[in-house]
This record gives sequence, structure tokens and C-alpha cells, in this order.
Amino acid sequence: DVKVTQSSRYLVKRTGEKVFLECVQDMDHENMFWYRQDPGLGLRLIYFSYDVKMKEKGDIPEGYSVSREKKERFSLILESASTNQTSMYLCAIRTGGRMRGYTFGSGTRLTVV
Amino acid sequence: QQQVKQSPQSLIVQKGGISIINCAYENTAFDYFPWYQQFPGKGPALLIAIRPDVSEKKEGRFTISFNKSAKQFSLHIMDSQPGDSATYFCAASDSNYQLIWGAGTKLIIKP
Repeated sequence: DVKVTQSSRYLVKRTGEKVFLECVQDMDHENMFWYRQDPGLGLRLIYFSYDVKMKEKGDIPEGYSVSREKKERFSLILESASTNQTSMYLCAIRTGGRMRGYTFGSGTRLTVV
Repeated sequence: QQQVKQSPQSLIVQKGGISIINCAYENTAFDYFPWYQQFPGKGPALLIAIRPDVSEKKEGRFTISFNKSAKQFSLHIMDSQPGDSATYFCAASDSNYQLIWGAGTKLIIKP
């Protein structure tokens, strides 16, 4: 089974810091996604990527950017962290095929103080 | 048109009872409807999925019921167990494969 690894489970950062969240898959899937999860709001798509160096904005891209220099790694960047970016961040890959299944990492809980 | 509306937001069910979570959609181009289950500290995991050419799909104690004319689908958990306590998300996608998510339901099964 494919594995999606997010580098940190918990992070505490200060307002204004630049924050990097890393996501790595152990197979060769093209489609990778970054979501944030907040109570009552479900999963909201921040950015996604269909291939190396390709990125597309999701529903809430403001305040975020992404980088995909290698196929297995998809990074989410908070250029200047703010308290309203305190959230759970989830990385996912789409395994493709007719089932269209998504495999998620365990998430990074980010607190901005 | 892109929304998937999920209810209830939270649900408490006695052990052995039936848990029912409902979702509704507007976009008739959606042709794939999965349910994901998320335990605390974990990412969501695919539980069961259905396509609109069938009205029901069952896997063990979990059943999806699908009503194409009403644009609604629901998850039924029979003989609910404390281990089923989790957050459940419905979703939908079209041929572009991007999932549109419901807001989630926190299910608690009381022993």
C-alpha cells in the first residue's frame, strides 16, 4: 500500500514566521493535495499538483504557496504565518484508476502564536 | 452547485443501534460518491464508495444508500460499535476526479 508521510505531527510557530510543511509519498503518483481541516468546515483544498513543477490553486490558497520539485515531495509554505492559519493540515495523494481513492497522511497540527 | 451538504454535524448512538449520516448534492455531473472515516490523530481513510448506477452498496456493517432523483446519499452503520466512533466525511466527484467534501459528522457510539 502507498504511504504518505508528513514530516511533523505537531508544530508551534510564531506570527510572521515562514513555515514549511513537508509531504512525501513512497510511490509514483502524480496527483498530490494539501487540505486544511477545521471543525465544522470539513476539508478545504488549499493547493494541488498534477505533476512536478505544476500547481493549481484550490478553494483557499490565500496566504499559502506550494513547491513540487520532485514527484514524491509536495511542500506547503506559509509565507508569513498568522494566527488564523492555526489548523490541521492534511496531505493526500490520489491513487487514480476508477476507484479515485485518496490516501492521506496523518496530518500536521499547526499552532501559530 | 459544487457543494455537498452533510448532516448531522454530530451524532450519538447507543451500541448496537443504527447510525445514519446523510448527504445531498446539486451537481448532476457527480458520478462517484465515497465515504471516508477519520480517527483522532489520523488522516481520513476510504471506507466505502458508490456510483449512481446502483441504489445501494453494502460492505459488512456499512451500507451506502443512493437516491439519484433526490440527489441524496447516506451512510448506514448497522450494529454500531464503540470502535466506529470517528468523524465521517461524504464526498463527490465528477470526471475531473477532484473530490468535493461534506463538512463531516462526528459519531460517538455509547457503550
